[in-house]
Amino acid sequence: DTGVSQDPRHKITKRGQNVTFRCDPISEHNRLYWYRQTLGQGPEFLTYFQNEAQLEKSRLLSDRFSAERPKGSFSTLEIQRTEQGDSAMYLCAISEHLSNTEAFFGQGTRLTVV
Amino acid sequence: DQQVKQNSPSLSVQEGRISILNCDYTNSMFDYFLWYKKYPAEGPTFLISISSIKDKNEDGRFTVFLNKSAKHLSLHIVPSQPGDSAVYFCAASPNSGYALNFGKGTSLLVTP
Repeated sequence: DTGVSQDPRHKITKRGQNVTFRCDPISEHNRLYWYRQTLGQGPEFLTYFQNEAQLEKSRLLSDRFSAERPKGSFSTLEIQRTEQGDSAMYLCAISEHLSNTEAFFGQGTRLTVV
Repeated sequence: DQQVKQNSPSLSVQEGRISILNCDYTNSMFDYFLWYKKYPAEGPTFLISISSIKDKNEDGRFTVFLNKSAKHLSLHIVPSQPGDSAVYFCAASPNSGYALNFGKGTSLLVTP
């Protein structure tokens, strides 16, 4: 148990639909990250929050993607007008607000866009 | 551009032998390095890390070696066990950074 719960575990959606994923850290951690992993690749950074502030967004995060972390606890990642290329595993991770600390990942949400 | 590279997509080792997984990086600003293990349909699990002020870090059967001049690190698993079979990802970040840069992974198979 890494202390990060993600919901849903799997999501199948039709192209053009909107989807929302949720990440719930079990304990208080300042930093929360979203990554995306496609087949044969390592996880790729999407965005991160320090408390409720979204401090960095990757260029991978198109304007169809939006992430929030109200109150600095759980986080949501929404994808609007999904495309087949959005099919991937979406991973949430947490870490302490310190340099050189490991990030702990949730089990991910597997998105399939048909 | 891939700043962290794992050039061996797969590795097969006999149980009890040493597994050596390699990783190269290009960004000289990286100074914190991690290894993660991943089973199918699960998120990556943290294994071991090393800061650039060290050249070796050991935790049980797992040892990570860092060669800064060569921009190379390796993970040694000894003795290897069948339960170690998984995909191993190397990751790196700069000191003041936050985002981890991952390699593409090496699939390790430990055979009985």
